[in-house]
Amino acid sequence: QKEVEQDPGPLSVPEGAIVSLNCTYSNSAFQYFMWYRQYSRKGPELLMYTYSSGNKEDGRFTAQVDKSSKYISLFIRDSQPSDSATYLCAIRDNQGGKLIFGQGTELSVKP
Amino acid sequence: EPEVTQTPSHQVTQMGQEVILRCVPISNHLYFYWYRQILGQKVEFLVSFYNNEISEKSEIFDDQFSVERPDGSNFTLKIRSTKLEDSAMYFCASSGQLTDTQYFGPGTRLTVL
Repeated sequence: QKEVEQDPGPLSVPEGAIVSLNCTYSNSAFQYFMWYRQYSRKGPELLMYTYSSGNKEDGRFTAQVDKSSKYISLFIRDSQPSDSATYLCAIRDNQGGKLIFGQGTELSVKP
Repeated sequence: EPEVTQTPSHQVTQMGQEVILRCVPISNHLYFYWYRQILGQKVEFLVSFYNNEISEKSEIFDDQFSVERPDGSNFTLKIRSTKLEDSAMYFCASSGQLTDTQYFGPGTRLTVL
């Protein structure tokens, strides 16, 4: 079983839509969860960083962690064409600190 | 705002040649990482570095790879004898503490011919 799984999409939505991006993970001991945004041929840019379960909100972005289901989500409200990018979920390995990434979901927001 | 920088942005090399990819992490950070991303695939961990030594490495990071922090600012990844399958984007990242956010550089695109 892969440690982190993410639907690669692509996902296409109209401007203003609510976007839901999701990942599942296998190791219940994981505690640090991140969402990165990556534009084509650029480095990952941190969007959200969450410790343990619960929700975290930052502007139009909400990150949600459900440790009982081993499921993490990123919601984007009022999506904009500038949100078009690949969104990567990442989980920090507890022992060494390395990040384990999902495949990335390619999002396109159409005007 | 402080950022991680990487040079060169694109490196083209012949198979069997040595390459050195360079990174300047954020200045007060203590933990340094290299990741790579083959086109269309996941970002994969290569190696982490702390206190002037490797703290963890993946199975990808074999004897052909090495890392070094030659001075107080640079962090380098060397591939001794490049293979075609080393073609990828290589990202450097740094963090202040082990559990802190990792900040990524813009990447070096390595093309091995």
